[in-house]
Amino acid sequence: TQLLEQSPQFLSIQEGENLTVYCNSSSVFSSLQWYRQEPGEGPVLLVTVVTGGEVKKLKRLTFQFGDARKDSSLHITAAQPGDTGLYLCAGQTDSWGKFQFGAGTQVVVTP
Amino acid sequence: NAGVTQTPKFRVLKTGQSMTLLCAQDMNHEYMYWYRQDPGMGLRLIHYSVGEGTTAKGEVPDGYNVSRLKKQNFLLGLESAAPSQTSVYFCASSDTGSGTEAFFGQGTRLTVV
Repeated sequence: TQLLEQSPQFLSIQEGENLTVYCNSSSVFSSLQWYRQEPGEGPVLLVTVVTGGEVKKLKRLTFQFGDARKDSSLHITAAQPGDTGLYLCAGQTDSWGKFQFGAGTQVVVTP
Repeated sequence: NAGVTQTPKFRVLKTGQSMTLLCAQDMNHEYMYWYRQDPGMGLRLIHYSVGEGTTAKGEVPDGYNVSRLKKQNFLLGLESAAPSQTSVYFCASSDTGSGTEAFFGQGTRLTVV
């Protein structure tokens, strides 16, 4: 059983469309992170959120941390083919910094 | 600017063989982790270390052993490989505390036949 549930598992959209990916749990996290992974590579950090209700923007990407610090969403505006990848959320439930990952959402953006 | 380096990148083992995966980081990070990634399962933590000389079990530790004799190195051992251990293995490191970034290696693709 995954501590973090991500949905959808797979998302295929056309360039210019918007998309939202969700990360949900019944646990409270001290911090939550979003990573993007490309084929043959390790995940790379996009953002870290630590405060309930926090919203962070990274160019066309908007990240939100739920008020109760149990869930998060990633919204991409006007997706581009370069946004294609596996998006992973990772939560830390204690101050030690141990990360637990969701199964990921595979996003494919076609020109 | 190496970051986290894993060796080897690919390996094919026969059932019952043993091998060691090496992870090296040059960022002076305290924490190091070994994950396996399987389709539809995301990254699952095998073992981790919070400092030189320490190790701890993660979610899926059975069949694996680890050692952290030096701060910069974290070794993952398979004593008797099984087909169920076919996977992509990722090493990561991070600084201490919550909210810190995990830096990943490029992965080791292991096939056990």
